[in-house]
Amino acid sequence: AQRVTQPEKLLSVFKGAPVELKCNYSYSGSPELFWYVQYSRQRLQLLLRHISRESIKGFTADLNKGETSFHLKKPFAQEEDSAMYYCALSGFNKFYFGSGTKLNVKP
Amino acid sequence: DGGITQSPKYLFRKEGQNVTLSCEQNLNHDAMYWYRQDPGQGLRLIYYSQIVNDFQKGDIAEGYSVSREKKESFPLTVTSAQKNPTAFYLCASRMDTDTEAFFGQGTRLTVV
Repeated sequence: AQRVTQPEKLLSVFKGAPVELKCNYSYSGSPELFWYVQYSRQRLQLLLRHISRESIKGFTADLNKGETSFHLKKPFAQEEDSAMYYCALSGFNKFYFGSGTKLNVKP
Repeated sequence: DGGITQSPKYLFRKEGQNVTLSCEQNLNHDAMYWYRQDPGQGLRLIYYSQIVNDFQKGDIAEGYSVSREKKESFPLTVTSAQKNPTAFYLCASRMDTDTEAFFGQGTRLTVV
């Protein structure tokens, strides 16, 4: 079965510290993976997708097929990064989401 | 201004009543989705539609119904059979299966 797992419900870090939001997936085919972000009182929006290999707002994510992971990383967290982050997988015409990780960046 | 619009933003319903949530997009997207967002559970797929006049059940379709008579519209009806309807509902659309999804701002439904 297709599944996306985000093991941490809440991640608190201090400003300037590195941050890593974990995402593991299970999928029988070749997945398309995404990270979505939801800032307070805003709609869910795309942060990045693995196929584009971009760095958005200092965030990067590498697809590791061997470990079936797609962790989101940023070397120096900023207070404005505080938000809810969702890992998502596209496959078989569906979009599967993880349960989300709330990132809290403290000053 | 292109986008995906959900209405209303807040909705109150009495127990035993059906209620319909609206989702409209002018992005010319083929695929549309309905999700339910509950604290600690992420987004769970209710229904999805790849083309007009066709839709499929998601993981939690019981107590819900949809229609897709027009490409730009994908309304969701929460029926009285839904045992725990109070939640935040999100609609999304995308061009095809390889592209990103765009989300509406959501409808918060409260059963009173």
